[in-house]
Amino acid sequence: AQTVTQSQPEMSVQEAETVTLSCTYDTSESNYYLFWYKQPPSRQMILVIRQEAYKQQNATENRFSVNFQKAAKSFSLKISDSQLGDTAMYFCAFMKHVRGSTLGRLYFGRGTQLTVWP
Amino acid sequence: KAGVTQTPRYLIKTRGQQVTLSCSPISGHRSVSWYQQTPGQGLQFLFEYFSETQRNKGNFPGRFSGRQFSNSRSEMNVSTLELGDSALYLCASSLTGTNSPLHFGNGTRLTVT
Repeated sequence: AQTVTQSQPEMSVQEAETVTLSCTYDTSESNYYLFWYKQPPSRQMILVIRQEAYKQQNATENRFSVNFQKAAKSFSLKISDSQLGDTAMYFCAFMKHVRGSTLGRLYFGRGTQLTVWP
Repeated sequence: KAGVTQTPRYLIKTRGQQVTLSCSPISGHRSVSWYQQTPGQGLQFLFEYFSETQRNKGNFPGRFSGRQFSNSRSEMNVSTLELGDSALYLCASSLTGTNSPLHFGNGTRLTVT
């Protein structure tokens, strides 16, 4: 079974500063994907960034980047130049890579509520 | 391109009733999955459909069921509602399921009284 753990229920950061959200996971799979989703008060789950486990290079998307440590099973999200609109619940998620299959189940952590203040 | 559309956005039902939630995926997406979100249990996988077939099912009782139509639209049904079924139900679609990012709708907030 796959488990995803986010040890920080809440975090806050001042606008324009940098913040890092932590995520660890447990799996016996060798091929998989990791994601960070954000859920603002509108409730829609929005994909922030995705990492393929077979890629050593850390994924980046504008102000968002990850630190993927496969051996340590760690997948942290760094948000640079934080903006008020980044305030949201952030979920770390895991998906198995199943060759030839159409299974796309996500395993989620419990989330980290990030508040960006002026 | 329109996103994932879930209807209705809010529902209030009485214990013992049944409910049907609808999800229209992004055009061209063939995989639809459903998740239940509650404060106590977090986000839990319900089931996934691809080409009108249920491909994967989470650990929920048989009162929870779903289906997918030929146009990839999906419905989920909950029969004999219980208070604990109160939750945000999220639908997500993707091109093929695995290896494809999931795109979520705004969810349906179900309240059971």
